[in-house]
Amino acid sequence: EPEVTQTPSHQVTQMGQEVILRCVPISNHLYFYWYRQILGQKVEFLVSFYNNEISEKSEIFDDQFSVERPDGSNFTLKIRSTKLEDSAMYFCASSLAGGPHEQYFGPGTRLTVT
Amino acid sequence: GDSVTQMEGPVTLSEEAFLTINCTYTATGYPSLFWYVQYPGEGLQLLLKATKADDKGSNKGFEATYRKETTSFHLEKGSVQVSDSAVYFCALSSSGAGSYQLTFGKGTKLSVIP
Repeated sequence: EPEVTQTPSHQVTQMGQEVILRCVPISNHLYFYWYRQILGQKVEFLVSFYNNEISEKSEIFDDQFSVERPDGSNFTLKIRSTKLEDSAMYFCASSLAGGPHEQYFGPGTRLTVT
Repeated sequence: GDSVTQMEGPVTLSEEAFLTINCTYTATGYPSLFWYVQYPGEGLQLLLKATKADDKGSNKGFEATYRKETTSFHLEKGSVQVSDSAVYFCALSSSGAGSYQLTFGKGTKLSVIP
């Protein structure tokens, strides 16, 4: 069964460093998403991406964040200058269509900023 | 804005016990409602969904009914198994045009003991 994959599973970085989190969505899906979950808190939407551009973003997704689909398979989230409060589990998701359709989630990348 | 409130965990039940996890929501319009499950070390998986009032979603013995009058989508299962041990997330997708983000509750951890 096709699945969303994410690498790495755990990333440790120092404050102020840039990190890139990688995701491979399901191959025929058209919509891509990033969510994050700070320990003990809710899963929060960051950004959605369709047709090679951001379709929606939350207020969390400020200028420190960017997303890219550099080729036909990868979908990346870049944090330019990490802060302690960026420590969280980051989930990538994809869906075949927009609207109330199932979003398929990856296993997550745990980002620890020290 | 949209929000989802679900009962605090953790919940510990004996095998074959009845399960209810409460979920209420606040949203404008007519959202779609979802239950996602996260097994240890894995991503979030869609368990069931309902897209309009009075719809009942069901899967693997779990059920939830979209109750517009009480803005609720409670998850139930008549007889839980050890393999149901996981974290359960209630979520909604707004009906706003072009808005496909999922809004999640905090998650409820369920442990089922033999």
